Amino acid sequence: SQQGEEDPQALSIQEGENATMNCSYKTSINNLQWYRQNSGRGLVHLILIRSNEREKHSGRLRVTLDTSKKSSSLLITASRAADTASYFCATDANGANNLFFGTGTRLTVIP
Amino acid sequence: KAGVTQTPRYLIKTRGQQVTLSCSPISGHRSVSWYQQTPGQGLQFLFEYFSETQRNKGNFPGRFSGRQFSNSRSEMNVSTLELGDSALYLCASSLVTQTGFPYEQYFGPGTRLTVT
Repeated sequence: SQQGEEDPQALSIQEGENATMNCSYKTSINNLQWYRQNSGRGLVHLILIRSNEREKHSGRLRVTLDTSKKSSSLLITASRAADTASYFCATDANGANNLFFGTGTRLTVIP
Repeated sequence: KAGVTQTPRYLIKTRGQQVTLSCSPISGHRSVSWYQQTPGQGLQFLFEYFSETQRNKGNFPGRFSGRQFSNSRSEMNVSTLELGDSALYLCASSLVTQTGFPYEQYFGPGTRLTVT
């Protein structure tokens, strides 16, 4: 299966702390994306990083990509209670427009 | 722009019945993908449509089918429902060139299907 693995499965932090989630995948990719899902609802796109990029920032989000290790990390700085959600990494399949999602990290930010 | 819309939001069916779910993509998006989300299997790709043609298909049985209309709206159909088909079905639309380099996908709120 091309599906990735995310680590940790669950993470609980205090508001204001930083949260780091990791994603590993199995095959070569064109890009890797991160999505957020609030409790059983649709996914919201957070950030896309292409295979030739190593780091990308968007607001409080920082994503790194290491294609040699087939891994990525998502850092959320200065977390807020509203960041409580599940976070998924997703990879493409050699340019095809379908995504393979990781297993997700459930983040809880305690006010 | 209006987001991706899915109807209905909730559905309860019995085993053996069939169901049709509908998805309206963001205006200008020609690619529509469908995903199934369950607690056990996570998020799994069903199929993708582009310009009324199924371009990619996931590993699901033939009971799962779909189509796309000329206005890019899409429907998926599940026939002979099984208990294991209970899931959140998500539709996503995206901009993509005909040669296929993928962009970010925009998801609808999903249709929660319960099969009893």
